[in-house]
Amino acid sequence: AQSVAQPEDQVNVAEGNPLTVKCTYSVSGNPYLFWYVQYPNRGLQFLLKYITGDNLVKGSYGFEAEFNKSQTSFHLKKPSALVSDSALYFCAVRDKEGYSTLTFGKGTMLLVSP
Amino acid sequence: SAVISQKPSRDICQRGTSLTIQCQVDSQVTMMFWYRQQPGQSLTLIATANQGSEATYESGFVIDKFPISRPNLTFSTLTVSNMSPEDSSIYLCSVDHGLGAGETQYFGPGTRLLVL
Repeated sequence: AQSVAQPEDQVNVAEGNPLTVKCTYSVSGNPYLFWYVQYPNRGLQFLLKYITGDNLVKGSYGFEAEFNKSQTSFHLKKPSALVSDSALYFCAVRDKEGYSTLTFGKGTMLLVSP
Repeated sequence: SAVISQKPSRDICQRGTSLTIQCQVDSQVTMMFWYRQQPGQSLTLIATANQGSEATYESGFVIDKFPISRPNLTFSTLTVSNMSPEDSSIYLCSVDHGLGAGETQYFGPGTRLLVL
């Protein structure tokens, strides 16, 4: 079975400060990892994914995420937060072996204050 | 990538009625998925819909309650039958091209359903 944990319901950060949204995962094999963002009254938008290769993945809107196999983590980061980054962020995992469906974390609300 | 549209974008329905949600994709896709996002919750997969075959339902979801059609490679519908207030959720359509586990899954804008 595969699972994702997002330990924080909400992250608060001031505009201009760096942000981190945490994600840990559990899969039986090797993981494919994804981050999505959901703005109010919108669907999910794909931000970035880790498939293989460099552990630091760069994605849309200046976001990046670091894959850490030993800690089974895939934290989302941004060097300088914008008020417009305020949204709900979901981490998701899929086992590399075979074809399993995406499993989502419960989501983390990011609030960036001016 | 894929551009996905859903109709209706939102609706308010009376209990006991049914609502059919449409999902249209701008390109042919192998895999289409239907998710439910209850208020304040994460996404839960309802079923996977492949063209030319019966939908595959996840545990806790049944065809009588959530019948799905997939008539071609760009379109699918999800019906929420005999609705109750507990069915109030956002229903999301999602697609990928079935190229493997590393492929990105794209989502539609969602249908916001309120059942009174």
